[in-house]
Amino acid sequence: SQQGEEDPQALSIQEGENATMNCSYKTSINNLQWYRQNSGRGLVHLILIRSNEREKHSGRLRVTLDTSKKSSSLLITASRAADTASYFCATGGSWGKLQFGAGTQVVVTP
Amino acid sequence: DTGVSQNPRHKITKRGQNVTFRCDPISEHNRLYWYRQTLGQGPEFLTYFQNEAQLEKSRLLSDRFSAERPKGSFSTLEIQRTEQGDSAMYLCASRDMNTEAFFGQGTRLTVV
Repeated sequence: SQQGEEDPQALSIQEGENATMNCSYKTSINNLQWYRQNSGRGLVHLILIRSNEREKHSGRLRVTLDTSKKSSSLLITASRAADTASYFCATGGSWGKLQFGAGTQVVVTP
Repeated sequence: DTGVSQNPRHKITKRGQNVTFRCDPISEHNRLYWYRQTLGQGPEFLTYFQNEAQLEKSRLLSDRFSAERPKGSFSTLEIQRTEQGDSAMYLCASRDMNTEAFFGQGTRLTVV
């Protein structure tokens, strides 16, 4: 079963705009991670935020975490065509296995 | 090290045939995971190895599925008597205790 739910399911924006996607999860977590997947390829780790952190930045990425609401958001600023991909949130389970949401498909048009 | 390698990248097989996929993790990683991903969904956990020991299997891993990691290095995932419902992307990931998971490019299985 999927642990997280991403919202929206799909997002279409123009280059230079910001993209925001949200993730809600069900159980208590130690950390939450975001991954990117280009069409038909493997997943690439973007950022990890721990349960005691509220916000984290990495380049054009900004992640927030609200453990009281069991939710996280990923913001991509100044988007580029190369940001076109599916984005997944994942929570860590036993043995370091990951439980993913269904993802947000982002399309950035030039 | 070129990252996690999976072979083959694509496999088309007839229903009822057996298939085997291989995953070569990053060499110093002792943890290895298999996931399955169907269209429009996120990856779902199948099984986990720490070195050569298979420590957890998902209930998604039916009796027709078996995974091995004989020497704690590469791993294989075999599906016997394939069914159309087995069509999916099979992803392998590896990590050590202090890193994030690194994923391979996946093996896309199509059962016809």
